[in-house]
Amino acid sequence: GNSVTQMEGPVTLSEEAFLTINCTYTATGYPSLFWYVQYPGEGLQLLLKATKADDKGSNKGFEATYRKETTSFHLEKGSVQVSDSAVYFCALRWDYGGSQGNLIFGKGTKLSVKP
Amino acid sequence: NAGVTQTPKFRVLKTGQSMTLLCAQDMNHEYMYWYRQDPGMGLRLIHYSVGEGTTAKGEVPDGYNVSRLKKQNFLLGLESAAPSQTSVYFCASSPTAYNEQFFGPGTRLTVL
Repeated sequence: GNSVTQMEGPVTLSEEAFLTINCTYTATGYPSLFWYVQYPGEGLQLLLKATKADDKGSNKGFEATYRKETTSFHLEKGSVQVSDSAVYFCALRWDYGGSQGNLIFGKGTKLSVKP
Repeated sequence: NAGVTQTPKFRVLKTGQSMTLLCAQDMNHEYMYWYRQDPGMGLRLIHYSVGEGTTAKGEVPDGYNVSRLKKQNFLLGLESAAPSQTSVYFCASSPTAYNEQFFGPGTRLTVL
């Protein structure tokens, strides 16, 4: 079945450091891929998405590229800020065959950024 | 425009008690979802609804029931709570199956 594997945390970085959170998926065909962010005490918010191979999603300085050949969707940011401290979830959605929009999430990666 | 709201925010139950969690959305969305979030497990889909009067099972439906009598509300019921149902519950909604899901702030449930 479809699944998402993302890098285990927690990840602790200093402000202005480079961030990579790895995400790989298992699915037949071409699912849509997402990164969601959960700030402390809040629900999840969509951070970025990509719906086909080689698409790059970007938002708030974060980027992720849909790599079909490596079945990956790694999240990157060139310079993190304290305000980026949150839990990040990679997710996929299978958009074929009567899909009801159900998301399959990875386990989440907690990021802490120190000043 | 409140988006997706959840009631209550926190609740403590004893084993065997029942309760209902309410999710409400004011965006006129057709699709609504209930997830549970457990440490180290990510979010898992419990039940979902593709429109008023419809419900369907997700990945982990056992021990839960749902109802969607009104388009804007999606209720999650626990008939006989168990400690394994201690979790944070999130509701989400979206206009269609292919749009962004909007999440509520969550309900933290503890079953003793």
